[in-house]
Amino acid sequence: NAGVTQTPKFQVLKTGQSMTLQCAQDMNHEYMSWYRQDPGMGLRLIHYSVGAGITDQGEVPNGYNVSRSTTEDFPLRLLSAAPSQTSVYFCASSRSGGYGWHEQYFGPGTRLTVT
Amino acid sequence: TQLLEQSPQFLSIQEGENLTVYCNSSSVFSSLQWYRQEPGEGPVLLVTVVTGGEVKKLKRLTFQFGDARKDSSLHITAAQPGDTGLYLCAGVMSTNKLIFGTGTLLAVQP
Repeated sequence: NAGVTQTPKFQVLKTGQSMTLQCAQDMNHEYMSWYRQDPGMGLRLIHYSVGAGITDQGEVPNGYNVSRSTTEDFPLRLLSAAPSQTSVYFCASSRSGGYGWHEQYFGPGTRLTVT
Repeated sequence: TQLLEQSPQFLSIQEGENLTVYCNSSSVFSSLQWYRQEPGEGPVLLVTVVTGGEVKKLKRLTFQFGDARKDSSLHITAAQPGDTGLYLCAGVMSTNKLIFGTGTLLAVQP
């Protein structure tokens, strides 16, 4: 199994450009999330989804859009890139049940630089 | 504002020493997870604690969930260089969001 895959691994954008970070999982997990990781800030939740067709905002949703048309895919769209969005982005998936969130399986990350 | 604060932020110790990492919040969590992250990779789950006061052990690592389910600690006994990494706690809030802490970067010198 591939687990959680993310593309691209590295990306450089100019201010104002838009792009989509791709995330896919093959574990049939209901929950999927996008995080950004900045030095000294741990991981901050951008958007998450508890199932196909259902998305919600996390801690830092501004400037990002998501959609969940299938269980497998959860793309993250940057509408108009800004230098403040320079970060490492992680996608994660987990099954649901019981107390809600189970083990998060993370992708390898996308390192994004906005100039 | 971070909802989950970890301390210390950085820790550099010698092999064989003991250490404790703290994860604190004013919010109540239905469960709390601890992850370890190596450079260039995503975090990997170490343990999940669910019940207030719960203690779980994973070899030399001991995890405790506070009685009020607002805080947690990770204690490592006789640290080894292989324990080096970024330790992250993550709590499930009443809104069903999973929020990560600020992280503790541990370096164990041989």
